[in-house]
Amino acid sequence: DAGVTQSPTHLIKTRGQQVTLRCSPISGHKSVSWYQQVLGQGPQFIFQYYEKEERGRGNFPDRFSARQFPNYSSELNVNALLLGDSALYLCASSLTGPRGEQYFGPGTRLTVT
Amino acid sequence: KQEVTQIPAALSVPEGENLVLNCSFTDSAIYNLQWFRQDPGKGLTSLLLIQSSQREQTSGRLNASLDKSSGRSTLYIAASQPGDSATYLCAVRMDTGRRALTFGSGTRLQVQP
Repeated sequence: DAGVTQSPTHLIKTRGQQVTLRCSPISGHKSVSWYQQVLGQGPQFIFQYYEKEERGRGNFPDRFSARQFPNYSSELNVNALLLGDSALYLCASSLTGPRGEQYFGPGTRLTVT
Repeated sequence: KQEVTQIPAALSVPEGENLVLNCSFTDSAIYNLQWFRQDPGKGLTSLLLIQSSQREQTSGRLNASLDKSSGRSTLYIAASQPGDSATYLCAVRMDTGRRALTFGSGTRLQVQP
């Protein structure tokens, strides 16, 4: 079975632009979470969705938004990009709901210039 | 607010050594704890998940223990190999409230051949 997939792999954007990152969970997984990992640090929680409803939100500004589709895939949107948004964005899915074991995708490397 | 600390931040050992990685957390009211491995620029690979009611979990050469009351977990790697070189991350999930993972900053392990 395929693992969690994310697209694109790498992305370069300019300050002020908007970006959309995509995630497909493992087949059968209905919970998807998004994390931001800045170089040298552990991932920081951004959003969690379960059964297409938002179940949690981290301490990120309103420029960050997300949604989950009927097929349980998810998108993370970031508006008005700042240099500090440069990071590895990780998506994780879980079979047994928001508290279950998390399986992470390879991430999307976003560089803001 | 839950805080997770991992010590040491970096570790270099010769091949064949047994080693222990440490993880501590400030709030003992956790639901579970998960250990991950991350290769440079890549996503996270789940190694072991310990529920709050468990004391330890084993997978191959890896053994993770949990002392919930003292807020500590250890990851024991037996007979280390150069292929074990990676960053190891510890993450906890709270028993109540937000169900997201809170990560430590990781231990960067280098196993010298």
